[in-house]
Amino acid sequence: DIQMTQSPASLSASVGETVTITCRASENIYSYLAWYQQKQGKSPQLLVYNAKTLAEGVPSRFSGSGSGTQFSLKINSLQPEDFGSYYCQHHYGTPFTFGSGTKLEIK
Amino acid sequence: QVQLQQSGPELVKPGASVKISCKASGYAFSSSWMNWVKQRPGQGLEWIGRIYPGDGDTNYNGKFKGKATLTADKSSSTAYMQLSSLTSVDSAVYFCARLRHAMDYWGQGTSVTVSS
Repeated sequence: DIQMTQSPASLSASVGETVTITCRASENIYSYLAWYQQKQGKSPQLLVYNAKTLAEGVPSRFSGSGSGTQFSLKINSLQPEDFGSYYCQHHYGTPFTFGSGTKLEIK
Repeated sequence: QVQLQQSGPELVKPGASVKISCKASGYAFSSSWMNWVKQRPGQGLEWIGRIYPGDGDTNYNGKFKGKATLTADKSSSTAYMQLSSLTSVDSAVYFCARLRHAMDYWGQGTSVTVSS
């Protein structure tokens, strides 16, 4: 199975800052990488798929990049509604696996 | 609009089974894979498996083979997941999620609590 290593596990930032979350796959997944945001007590929401394609309705301050085994999610100019947990997930064949998550908190 | 409506919370005894549902609307149910994802309290997301309602084809995470059984009813646009021989480690929230490129729509989650 493909392992997804996500970092950092937690991140503290202020409104207006720019943050980056990284995800590494244990083998080449080309661009089959998605990012999700999850607020406490809610369902995950798709942000990015195919490594860099924004899902419908996702603000342009979010951007995804990378291919192969190294990926990142960048959030420019953090807004109050951006705080929560973020997960990467490969969608290069089954079994799909998620990263362990990054909890983004307000500083 | 696409909606996935899951069944309500379950309290079940150890050793029992439970079947939770996910009713889809707003898209062609038979033409998209439906995934199931587990989330234990305070933990991350774990993929259980998926089913293609059009022909009933399934793929499972090896960890959940024998634990989870996925089915789908095209006539009611509803996907089901049965969990068997429940123990405390099965206490979690379970989500269904449609697959288009990635999991683009999610149900609200069903809480399963295993307790005597």
